[in-house]
Formats: sequence, C-alpha cells, structure tokens
Amino acid sequence: GENVEQHPSTLSVQEGDSAVIKCTYSDSASNYFPWYKQELGKRPQLIIDIRSNVGEKKDQRIAVTLNKTAKHFSLHITETQPEDSAVYFCAATRETSGSRLTFGEGTQLTVNP
Amino acid sequence: NAGVTQTPKFQVLKTGQSMTLQCAQDMNHNSMYWYRQDPGMGLRLIYYSASEGTTDKGEVPNGYNVSRLNKREFSLRLESAAPSQTSVYFCASSRTAAGELFFGEGSRLTVL
Repeated sequence: GENVEQHPSTLSVQEGDSAVIKCTYSDSASNYFPWYKQELGKRPQLIIDIRSNVGEKKDQRIAVTLNKTAKHFSLHITETQPEDSAVYFCAATRETSGSRLTFGEGTQLTVNP
Repeated sequence: NAGVTQTPKFQVLKTGQSMTLQCAQDMNHNSMYWYRQDPGMGLRLIYYSASEGTTDKGEVPNGYNVSRLNKREFSLRLESAAPSQTSVYFCASSRTAAGELFFGEGSRLTVL
C-alpha cells in the first residue's frame, strides 16, 4: 500500500516569512495529492490539492508543487500570518474506485508575530 | 446543510464497555470513513465504505466494527473498549475516493 512521509514535524517561522512542508510517497500510481489544515481543536479542512497532470498549483498565498519522478510534493505558504498556525497534513491516493487517502503524520506550523 | 454530523462529541468508558459512534452526512456522498487521531500519529484510517453496501478495513481496524446503514449513515462500534482506544475519532465523507474529504467535528473518547 501507499506510504506517505512528511517533514518537518514542527516548523516555526516569523510572521511574513515563507514556510515549506515536504512529503514523499511510495506508490508511483498515486495521482491525487491534497493538503489539509487543522486548527487547534477543529476538524481538518482541505486547503489545496493537485493532480498528477500538473506540476504546480497556486491559490493566493499557498501553492503546491509535485515532482512525480522523485515522488514528492510540497506545500509553500508565503507571507505567513499568525492565523496560518495549525497542523498541516499531506495525503496521497490513486484516483480509482475503492481507493482511499493515506495521510502523512502532520506538521505543526507556528507563525510568531 | 449540516455536512457531516457525528455523535457523541465526548464519551468516557470503562475498559470492557461497548459503544457506538454515529455519523451521518447530508451531501449525498458515496464514500464514508472513520479515522482516529492520536498525538504525533496523524490521521489513521480505521474502516471505510467506498459505496453503500461495502465496507473495508483501513490501517488500524482491530477492535472495531462498522456498519454502513444506508447512503447517509456510517457507524463505528467498539465491542470491548480498551485504554489503547482512547483517541479523537473523526468521521468523514467524500463524493469520490479522490475527492475532498469533509470531516465531522470529532468525538473525544476516553477509556479508563
């Protein structure tokens, strides 16, 4: 089955700096890669996703890049703000019936004012 | 439009007791999931149901059973609770296997 590794487990940045979280996956057939944000005491929510037919996707201050050859993908947050502080999870799966997401272990991002 | 609703939000059990976590979604989603979340362990899949009438084991199914009652509802049962099952449990649903997961608010279970 799929195995997703996520680094770093904790990340502390100053407000306004950029933050990068990296994930590697094992199943070369995986082709859907979402990122979820979980604020303290809340449920995880999707913030951005990418499919294997594109290499990069942006949505305002967040972007995700995908390198299928190396089997890794990354989340980039620019101009970080205190409200970006949360746990971020990457995940991967094949887009086939009956498949399901495999999550990384999460990154605790702290943005210091 | 409530999304994914799970009950109860909090529960304390004694070792050996049984209980059922209920989950319902009103988005007409085909797939439903039960995850547990422990500190430093991320989200681990217990069971999932890709469509009404089917259920499959995830990464950590031991000690749990599930029922996909209908397209809306997916319940998780602990037959004989153990302290190792102390965790936060999330139900989720999605339209397809590779689509956005919508999570419930979570259920915090403590087994003494």
